[in-house]
Amino acid sequence: GAVVSQHPSRVICKSGTSVKIECRSLDFQATTMFWYRQFPKQSLMLMATSNEGSKATYEQGVEKDKFLINHASLTLSTLTVTSAHPEDSSFYICSGLVHGEQFFGPGTRLTVL
Amino acid sequence: GQNIDQPTEMTATEGAIVQINCTYQTSGFNGLFWYQQHAGEAPTFLSYNVLDGLEEKGRFSSFLSRSKGYSYLLLKELQMKDSASYLCAVREGSNYQLIWGAGTKLIIKP
Repeated sequence: GAVVSQHPSRVICKSGTSVKIECRSLDFQATTMFWYRQFPKQSLMLMATSNEGSKATYEQGVEKDKFLINHASLTLSTLTVTSAHPEDSSFYICSGLVHGEQFFGPGTRLTVL
Repeated sequence: GQNIDQPTEMTATEGAIVQINCTYQTSGFNGLFWYQQHAGEAPTFLSYNVLDGLEEKGRFSSFLSRSKGYSYLLLKELQMKDSASYLCAVREGSNYQLIWGAGTKLIIKP
């Protein structure tokens, strides 16, 4: 299957700082990537759909000014959590779309102190 | 509205068989996925059904009935490493977004 990497795998930051998470497709070109958030013992919640070369499409209730998505190339999408707060602590997962199937990155555990 | 239901938790014995059910109500249907997710890790793809019937892949099988809005994942010869959450997800249309169930936590006991 297709391989997706995420960096960093874990990050701890202070409240008010910004954190950037990278999602890379290693062996395929991903015109579409998805960003999810998962709180403990809950399912995946789609945050936004990232399309290469265009603006991301955000799900209802997700602040686009707080969660900045950039998909500048066919192999890289980034999610920046701006002015992070403790309630933003979560597991962030990206996926790349290949022939209709989503391949997931390993996830990034964000802890905001 | 959109709704996907699966049991919250199930327990089974090593070596046995377990069936995890998923029912869905969506405005459209373009395929149903099952994913496995170990704690602290991202989901991994298990199966995909778009037509009615049973898809078998090794110890795992997945069944779909579109008329009933129902699917199940069947795990045979359970191993301790099968302890994980199993997520049911439905693709409604052609935009490839998935609607996710809350997941079923499967606990395997020796």
